[in-house]
Order: sequence, then structure tokens, then C-alpha cells
Amino acid sequence: DAKTTQPTSMDCAEGRAANLPCNHSTISGNEYVYWYRQIHSQGPQYIIHGLKNNETNEMASLIITEDRKSSTLILPHATLRDTAVYYCIVRVPFNDYKLSFGAGTTVTVRA
Amino acid sequence: DSGVTQTPKHLITATGQRVTLRCSPRSGDLSVYWYQQSLDQGLQFLIQYYNGEERAKGNILERFSAQQFPDLHSELNLSSLELGDSALYFCASSGQGSNEKLFFGSGTQLSVL
Repeated sequence: DAKTTQPTSMDCAEGRAANLPCNHSTISGNEYVYWYRQIHSQGPQYIIHGLKNNETNEMASLIITEDRKSSTLILPHATLRDTAVYYCIVRVPFNDYKLSFGAGTTVTVRA
Repeated sequence: DSGVTQTPKHLITATGQRVTLRCSPRSGDLSVYWYQQSLDQGLQFLIQYYNGEERAKGNILERFSAQQFPDLHSELNLSSLELGDSALYFCASSGQGSNEKLFFGSGTQLSVL
């Protein structure tokens, strides 16, 4: 797996957009970027994934730089329920079966 | 609700004992994964089964074993338990032909006293 680097923690104001960066400078051409989050002691929850194009779903948007060496997860309107640890993972789907979780970013949304 | 069911939610036992954790994957999912999460190690991949066969192995101790049954549910057996085995154990499942998304259960909290 290519390694990812994320900030240890960040704060966000409720109702504002939360922008979570991730560096993956050694990503290979067939590796996708995945984001999961874990709300206190619950099972990790899938958020979004992408290869090179920007992606958006009902939860978040994923912006991947053109050189694919970094990405940003955007939570458009953060709520208190978005307080969680966010994990950025790179992997090859259909080949690398497991997810390798790093330390992630602890996001605290404040009222 | 992810659709993945884990039982029991909490388990308290003593050192040297053996326990079994159970996981029912989402309906139709053929792959089951087991993860261990302790305070100092984070989420660690243990093992994966696909349609009853072991597919990938991670940092799983020899004292631990798992299997997936014909009805696709899986069990993780932990024996000769030590204090350091206290952790949250998560099961996840994914669909046939798609390793894109893993769906995690709510976990079993194991406390070894």
C-alpha cells in the first residue's frame, strides 16, 4: 500500500465546510483513494472513493489533485454528528482485499 | 445500520480462556473481514474469508483462528487469552466482485481480566 499522511487533528465550526487533506505522494496508477470515518468506538463507515476525477455523493466531496499526490475530503456543512476520526486510504480494489488504516485525522466539530 | 451483525456486543472473560465472536455479513456478501482495534495499535487487519475460503491474512496471532461457514457467517476464535487481547473486534463484509466498499459491524468489546 502507498502510505498516506494526514494531520493528527482539526477543528471545524458547525455549519461550515470541513476540508480534510491527505497526502499520498507515492500512489501508483491503479490505486484508488478511499475515505472512511469512525465515530467514537463504532465500526468504520465508508464515505467516498475515487481514482482521479473529483467525486461527490450525499455525504461528501473528494477532490484529487491532477498529479494524484494529494486529495481533500470536503464535508460541506459539518454537524456535531460529523465529529469522528477520518481515515484516508489508498488501495487497489479487486486486488488488495484489506483496508490498511493509519492513524487518521480526529475532526472535532464545535457548536 | 450497516447490515453486518456482530455478537456479542460485550464480552468479559479471564486470562487463559477461549471465546468465540460471531459475525453475520450483509445479505449476499461473500467476503468477511476481521479487524482488531486496541488503544495503542489502531485498526489492525486480522484475516479475510471469501465464500468459505481464507483469502488474506494479516497480523493474526496463532492463538486466534477464524472460519466462514456455508451460510456465510463467520466466527473468530480467540484462545489462551491474555490481557493484551482486550480490544474491540470488528467484522466487515463486502459484496461479490466488489472490494470497493467494506461495511463494518458495530463490534465486540472484549475485556480480558
